[in-house]
Amino acid sequence: DGGITQSPKYLFRKEGQNVTLSCEQNLNHDAMYWYRQDPGQGLRLIYYSQIVNDFQKGDIAEGYSVSREKKESFPLTVTSAQKNPTAFYLCASSMVSDTQYFGPGTRLTVL
Amino acid sequence: GESVGLHLPTLSVQEGDNSIINCAYSNSASDYFIWYKQESGKGPQFIIDIRSNMDKRQGQRVTVLLNKTVKHLSLQIAATQPGDSAVYFCAETLDSGGGADGLTFGKGTHLIIQP
Repeated sequence: DGGITQSPKYLFRKEGQNVTLSCEQNLNHDAMYWYRQDPGQGLRLIYYSQIVNDFQKGDIAEGYSVSREKKESFPLTVTSAQKNPTAFYLCASSMVSDTQYFGPGTRLTVL
Repeated sequence: GESVGLHLPTLSVQEGDNSIINCAYSNSASDYFIWYKQESGKGPQFIIDIRSNMDKRQGQRVTVLLNKTVKHLSLQIAATQPGDSAVYFCAETLDSGGGADGLTFGKGTHLIIQP
């Protein structure tokens, strides 16, 4: 069963805590991306990676960190430095020269 | 039904009618455009794409039109069905390869299909 999976579906965090969101793909895609979506808004790019062990900041990288140790995995850590982390987080992947396909998302709520 | 203007958040159409969703993009250098459909609580689903060397592309029940002169993109959905109810986003990128550097999304239009 191929595709992009994100876990958990819902995540609750206390203020001051770091949390890590998982994104895995078995599509053999080279590139992976993280976006943030706020209610009634479009998606904004946080980080992206075109190849293992390399990644670049997107438009709103402050307060987030990523790693790309394996081709299949691109975890996102929301740090305590992120001032307003409550949002819907979406992971996507693509071949470098192809369309991006999205996972089901993780809804993060800060209590 | 037809949406007008850049930021109309909702478009309501009768089941069976054709829908037209409009999008204005900001960067004249963008050369690849995608339409996504997003249902509530789910990730965006790819619908159709178009590259800047084309002005029209057709899929199953959907057509995308690109007007580079006025930086305008539209999505036409023929014979709308209840399952078409969702938020539709246009996205643009500078990369002709398909967005390897990430996509820039519009704010979306909520399409409501009335019985």
